[in-house]
Amino acid sequence: DARVTQTPRHKVTEMGQEVTMRCQPILGHNTVFWYRQTMMQGLELLAYFRNRAPLDDSGMPKDRFSAEMPDATLATLKIQPSEPRDSAVYFCASARSGDTQYFGPGTRLTVL
Amino acid sequence: EDQVTQSPEALRLQEGESSSLNCSYTVSGLRGLFWYRQDPGKGPEFLFTLYSAGEEKEKERLKATLTKKESFLHITAPKPEDSATYLCAVQGPNSNYQLIWGAGTKLIIKP
Repeated sequence: DARVTQTPRHKVTEMGQEVTMRCQPILGHNTVFWYRQTMMQGLELLAYFRNRAPLDDSGMPKDRFSAEMPDATLATLKIQPSEPRDSAVYFCASARSGDTQYFGPGTRLTVL
Repeated sequence: EDQVTQSPEALRLQEGESSSLNCSYTVSGLRGLFWYRQDPGKGPEFLFTLYSAGEEKEKERLKATLTKKESFLHITAPKPEDSATYLCAVQGPNSNYQLIWGAGTKLIIKP
């Protein structure tokens, strides 16, 4: 049963600390998306990659967020420095080209 | 501007009471409309993709339909385990595979 995996599932950190979230897409999927979900904003697209190349990161605060795909099995989202307003659930989703997106279980981030 | 609006925001039903959720969209040249289910503390779970007006898809107690302006998710004789937030998203022709998401409908089925 192929699934997107994300680590950690929960993260509590203090303001100013670096946070790294990881995602393993479904094997064979070449498109990876990073989303943020809050009660107020719903699902927001932060960035996405096709064949490991960044296609769009316009949804990300550039000064503190960065996203990379070091290889086809790993995508990372970093926040440095973190702020309380970054508290949210961060989802990774993967897809085969333009096909259906399959979501991971999310990382719940709390910045104190 | 491409937009997706879901209604109602929340819906409470008795077990067995059938109803429909609405997803209205404005996008020229729809490439696909997607329905997802999201349980608390979990990621969205894919349900259906619809590609053209008139298309219908079914899964257990759920049936999704599509017109040129909206989609309905019909729930027949729902059970408490159908309680979840249902999300709708559309993909336009120039979206480069990005999805435009609705805010969701929170469905509560009371036993």
